[in-house]
Amino acid sequence: QSLLTQAPSASGAPGQSVTIFCSGSDSNIGGNPVNWYQHFPRTAPKLLIFTDYQRPSGVPDRFSGSKSGTSASLAITGLHSDDEAIYFCATWDDTLSGWVFGGGTNLTVL
Amino acid sequence: QVQLQESGPGLVKPSQTLSLTCSVSGGSISRDSFYWTWIRQPAGKELEWIGRIYTSGTTHYNPSLVSRVSISADRSKNQFSLHLSSVTAADTAVYYCVREKGWELLLDYWGQGIPVTVSS
Repeated sequence: QSLLTQAPSASGAPGQSVTIFCSGSDSNIGGNPVNWYQHFPRTAPKLLIFTDYQRPSGVPDRFSGSKSGTSASLAITGLHSDDEAIYFCATWDDTLSGWVFGGGTNLTVL
Repeated sequence: QVQLQESGPGLVKPSQTLSLTCSVSGGSISRDSFYWTWIRQPAGKELEWIGRIYTSGTTHYNPSLVSRVSISADRSKNQFSLHLSSVTAADTAVYYCVREKGWELLLDYWGQGIPVTVSS
C-alpha cells in the first residue's frame, strides 16, 4: 500500500486539460515539497515539477503543479498525443525518513 | 547535463547477492550536497526507495531493507553501487539510480533503470 495515493488512470482529448492528484499525509506531502515526474516505459523518469509548483527549464508551461494541505496536483493543459505517459508524485516522508512515491497515473490522450 | 547509467546482471539466483553499479557522467559524485540514491519498482507496484549515500560516505537505508542492503561509492571511477543480499523473488524489479539534491528534497536526474530478475 503506497503512502501516496494516485488514481491509476486518467484521460483527455487533444487540446483539453487534465488534472492528476496525489494524496498523502502530514508526514509527507503536508510537510515536505512535492515533485512530479513524467515516465515513458524503459526510459529515465523526467522531472516536470519540483518544490510543489516550480518548473525546470525546458518544461512547457502547459504543466503546472499545486499543493494544498496533504494533497498535491499536476495540471496539464492543451493535451498532446505525446503527453501519453505515466505521471507520478514523490516526496520525503518524515516517519519513514525516506522517499515515498505515488503509484503513478497512466494518462491516455483519446 | 548529468547522466546516470545502471549496470549489472539481469538475473540473480535466490539467496545470492544482487550487485549493481551506477556510472555517473556530467558531474562528480564527490561534489557537496548531493545524495546518490537507489530506487526500485517491482512490476505492477509503486516505486520503493532503497537508500542513499552522501558525498561524505554517510548512508541511509529503507528500514524494511536495512538488514540486507549496502550502498558504497568509488569516487575514482565516479560510480556508486548497490548490494542486496539474500534475495528472493520479491526483489525482482527495475532498479534505478538517481541523484538527489539534498537541500531541496529533489530527485532530479534518474537512470533509465535496469531490470533484475531473481530466479533459479
